[in-house]
Amino acid sequence: DTAVSQTPKYLVTQMGNDKSIKCEQNLGHDTMYWYKQDSKKFLKIMFSYNNKELIINETVPNRFSPKSPDKAHLNLHINSLELGDSAVYFCASSQGGGRAGQPQHFGDGTRLSIL
Amino acid sequence: GENVEQHPSTLSVQEGDSAVIKCTYSDSASNYFPWYKQELGKRPQLIIDIRSNVGEKKDQRIAVTLNKTAKHFSLHITETQPEDSAVYFCAASKGFKTIFGAGTRLFVKA
Repeated sequence: DTAVSQTPKYLVTQMGNDKSIKCEQNLGHDTMYWYKQDSKKFLKIMFSYNNKELIINETVPNRFSPKSPDKAHLNLHINSLELGDSAVYFCASSQGGGRAGQPQHFGDGTRLSIL
Repeated sequence: GENVEQHPSTLSVQEGDSAVIKCTYSDSASNYFPWYKQELGKRPQLIIDIRSNVGEKKDQRIAVTLNKTAKHFSLHITETQPEDSAVYFCAASKGFKTIFGAGTRLFVKA
């Protein structure tokens, strides 16, 4: 049973299109995250949600809109895709992220390629 | 802003040798320091973590040390094996926010 699952695994699309990535966790965690990993492997936090509420938005362009319909799901919608959006996007979850010291469990990532 | 610096960016060792990766963080309020291993094409996975009230932690061949005064922490892998080859990320966490280092690509030569 996959603990944090993301779909799709691969996404190839044209510049200017709109696309969504879905994430679900079955760990019962309160907190979910989106990270962007660029070609140099740098992992950068984009958003953090706790109990469906946005906690962190790390100066991400407003073309990126996360949505958390419930604690177990955090989806990412991207409008007007640009070449620089090409990256691997990881979803992660943790238990009680507001408290100290909780490890994050990552999904397998979504590789987004913009043509 | 908050920052985590990680060195070296690449590390090549002979099988059986030890590997050490060092990180420095800027936010003195950080209180949780996890280390993640990412194999090629896979997701980051937690290998060990340490909290700010602890100076050292060991799990078999892996150990982590934390110096809060100097704001640095290190990962030590002993008796390295080819399957240890991966990218290793340190991170510093405070509340809901985790800042990752830039990663260290470890090569273990058989």
